[in-house]
Amino acid sequence: KNEVEQSPQNLTAQEGEFITINCSYSVGISALHWLQQHPGGGIVSLFMLSSGKKKHGRLIATINIQEKHSSLHITASHPRDSAVYICAVSVKGGSEKLVFGKGTKLTVNP
Amino acid sequence: DTAVSQTPKYLVTQMGNDKSIKCEQNLGHDTMYWYKQDSKKFLKIMFSYNNKELIINETVPNRFSPKSPDKAHLNLHINSLELGDSAVYFCASSHLPGRNQPQHFGDGTRLSIL
Repeated sequence: KNEVEQSPQNLTAQEGEFITINCSYSVGISALHWLQQHPGGGIVSLFMLSSGKKKHGRLIATINIQEKHSSLHITASHPRDSAVYICAVSVKGGSEKLVFGKGTKLTVNP
Repeated sequence: DTAVSQTPKYLVTQMGNDKSIKCEQNLGHDTMYWYKQDSKKFLKIMFSYNNKELIINETVPNRFSPKSPDKAHLNLHINSLELGDSAVYFCASSHLPGRNQPQHFGDGTRLSIL
């Protein structure tokens, strides 16, 4: 079993819908990252959080350290949000080693 | 200005050859990483260097040798390429480990072994 599990694996939505992607992890972490990988292949860091909630535009990320769970929400989804969203954790120990989930492929249809 | 740049973007070569991928960052970061993304799009850490010193070396065949001439560069040399080496390789950088800074990724190098 992977140390970082994401669900769902694939998600199709209509433009305007509210999207939630979930991430659970089983190791001690110093931080959790949400990354976005566009069809062109580049990877962008969306959020890094160790507690609570962060918001950037239409994207919201939350984390519950006790439950070892994080969610990424997208409000008013748009076709340009179509991408693979990857959850990753910085494993405690100081080396900032990232362990990745398998990603959630999001397709937003117009 | 590209923050983390990798070259080449695409690399097609024959089995058994030796090849290198270069990575440079202009963000002033102390730590650089190499990741491998397999055909199922799963990312995995290969190496990490902090200020030219190797700090992470996952279970990677010793045909893969990272080289960090200075803290802004981390190159990846691969000897005797095998079919299973076909993947996308991403370079990334961040500030010192333990400071919980986000990592900045290059655009990836797609390696295809014929």
